[in-house]
Amino acid sequence: SQQGEEDPQALSIQEGENATMNCSYKTSINNLQWYRQNSGRGLVHLILIRSNEREKHSGRLRVTLDTSKKSSSLLITASRAADTASYFCATDWTGANSKLTFGKGITLSVRP
Amino acid sequence: DGGITQSPKYLFRKEGQNVTLSCEQNLNHDAMYWYRQDPGQGLRLIYYSQIVNDFQKGDIAEGYSVSREKKESFPLTVTSAQKNPTAFYLCASRGGAATSINEQYFGPGTRLTVT
Repeated sequence: SQQGEEDPQALSIQEGENATMNCSYKTSINNLQWYRQNSGRGLVHLILIRSNEREKHSGRLRVTLDTSKKSSSLLITASRAADTASYFCATDWTGANSKLTFGKGITLSVRP
Repeated sequence: DGGITQSPKYLFRKEGQNVTLSCEQNLNHDAMYWYRQDPGQGLRLIYYSQIVNDFQKGDIAEGYSVSREKKESFPLTVTSAQKNPTAFYLCASRGGAATSINEQYFGPGTRLTVT
């Protein structure tokens, strides 16, 4: 399976702390995307990093990509209670014909 | 107000009945997708369509059917042949050409319960 795998499965931190989530995948990719899902809702796109990029920033989000290790990390700085959600990485792998493959997700709880 | 709408939010059916989930988008996107999400699981692709009147099976198409007669609409039918239909169903769309690198936009989902 080309499915990405996130790590850890669950993360609980205090408001103001940083949250780091990791994603590993198995095949060559065109790009990797991170999505957020609030409980019982649809997914919202957070950030996309292309295979030729190593790091990308968007507000309090920082994404890195290491294609040699087939891994990515998502860092949320200065977390807020409103960041509580599930986070998914999705890979647009080479040959996927515009499909995305999602991991199982990481449940982040930010305690106020 | 642009976006993707799915209706209804909650749907209850008896076993053996077919049920159709609605997905409409006004984003002028060519590609549309249907995913299934089970508790604690990621999204699994059921069907996708890159253009009107064309669609492809995803990873778990058995027991499902779709149509794409209009660009805006991509309804999913859960048939009685689907053995475990109770799940959260998400529809998504993507703009740009098939080879472009774009994110997917998701609807709010439909929670289907079959008893």
